[in-house]
Amino acid sequence: QLQLQESGPGLVKASETLSLTCTVSGDSISSSRYYSGWIRQPPGKGLEWIGTIYYSGSTDYNPSLKSRVTISVDTSKNQFSLKLSSVTAADTAVYYCVSGMATISGARTFDYWGQGTLVTVSS
Amino acid sequence: DIVMTQSPLSLPVTPGEPASISCRSSQSLLHSNGYNSLDWYLQKPGQSPHLLIYLASNRASGVPDRFSGSGSGTDFTLKISRVEAEDVGVYYCMQGQQTPITFGQGARLEIK
Repeated sequence: QLQLQESGPGLVKASETLSLTCTVSGDSISSSRYYSGWIRQPPGKGLEWIGTIYYSGSTDYNPSLKSRVTISVDTSKNQFSLKLSSVTAADTAVYYCVSGMATISGARTFDYWGQGTLVTVSS
Repeated sequence: DIVMTQSPLSLPVTPGEPASISCRSSQSLLHSNGYNSLDWYLQKPGQSPHLLIYLASNRASGVPDRFSGSGSGTDFTLKISRVEAEDVGVYYCMQGQQTPITFGQGARLEIK
């Protein structure tokens, strides 16, 4: 059973880079059992997948954000991170870190969610 | 991108009564391995979403058996056999068949 906790600045200036970290407890993120990622939710709106990083280190990103997104893992700290560059007001959202257990089905189910952190982009 | 369409988007339900939410995908979610890459999540007020149903019909750990999922291909349904007050929130379907992973708009269940 994983527990996830997001951390990072709650306020980012427009045109700068949003950086968030997700600290994982309960198991090692370097285990081949897990993949991890980020999902965001603008205030009052639905869920948008940002990207996923797999045990192999490979990544999938939402094409709508791909040119601005980097997801990486620091196995020594049992953390993974999100960087989103050149932010605008449209990037204001609650950002959730998520993880799932790799299975033979190949599903991308997100079994574990952090509590979420609100990031506001200011002009 | 695969478009996920949920209906209804608002669901007022009397406690003890059943409820049903439909989710349709613009492309088949049936993988060659026989699994449907369709999950259901519930976001209770003020909380982060949590997993209810995975691979279309499997209840996640700790999910009450009044919740059930069914469907295959492009048509899926989440059913609650007897709604309880604690079931209020927004229900999302999500497809993991291909990237980008996409969600339905969300269906808000409220108690009458």
